[in-house]
Amino acid sequence: KAGVTQTPRYLIKTRGQQVTLSCSPISGHRSVSWYQQTPGQGLQFLFEYFSETQRNKGNFPGRFSGRQFSNSRSEMNVSTLELGDSALYLCASSLYGETGELFFGEGSRLTVL
Amino acid sequence: QQPVQSPQAVILREGEDAVINCSSSKALYSVHWYRQKHGEAPVFLMILLKGGEQKGHEKISASFNEKKQQSSLYLTASQLSYSGTYFCGTERIDTGNQFYFGTGTSLTVIP
Repeated sequence: KAGVTQTPRYLIKTRGQQVTLSCSPISGHRSVSWYQQTPGQGLQFLFEYFSETQRNKGNFPGRFSGRQFSNSRSEMNVSTLELGDSALYLCASSLYGETGELFFGEGSRLTVL
Repeated sequence: QQPVQSPQAVILREGEDAVINCSSSKALYSVHWYRQKHGEAPVFLMILLKGGEQKGHEKISASFNEKKQQSSLYLTASQLSYSGTYFCGTERIDTGNQFYFGTGTSLTVIP
C-alpha cells in the first residue's frame, strides 16, 4: 500500500512569508503527527491530530498551526517565517496514535532566506 | 524533556556489536526505536511497552527498564546496512500522545 506522502518536498521562502505543507497518511490511518528536524536537535514534536482533532501540541510558537481533514490528510502552516524555521518537516501516520508504529514520510525541506 | 541518548556517535567494523541507550527523566508508557538513513524517512525498528510487551523486527533486540526509565537497543553482528542515525522516541505517561525523540545516535559500520 502507498506510504505517507508529503508535498512539497523542497521549498525556499523568504523571511516574513508563510508556508503550507501537506501530508497524506497511509490509507486507514487516523492519526497524523508532525515533527521538525534540525541538525543537533533531532525530531521535535509539533502536534498530533486524530479524527480532525488536535490531541497534543509541542512547545512551538503560535506561528505554527495545523489541521486535519475528514479524509485524514493533514496540513501544517507556518506564518511569518523566520530564518530559524529552516528545517526538515516530517509527518508520520499511525492507526490510532497510541503506542502504535509511526510511518514517516520523506519530509518537506524548508529553507528560509 | 527530550530523552537522552548515548553515545552520540559510534563507528563499528562489520561483525561488531553495539549498544545504544536512551534515558528519560519522566515515567514512560512506551519507547520506540527508529533508524534514519541519510536523506530518507525514519523507519520503525521496535516498540517496548510498559509491562514488558515488545513489537518489532526479529533481528533487532532491545530492553526497557521501567524502574530506571531506560531503554537499550542491541545491534549484534553489525552489517553495512545498519549504518544510519538511531532515534529513540518516548511516550510519557503524563503527556499521552506526544512523542519526545532523542537527538539521535549516528552509527557507521565500516568494512
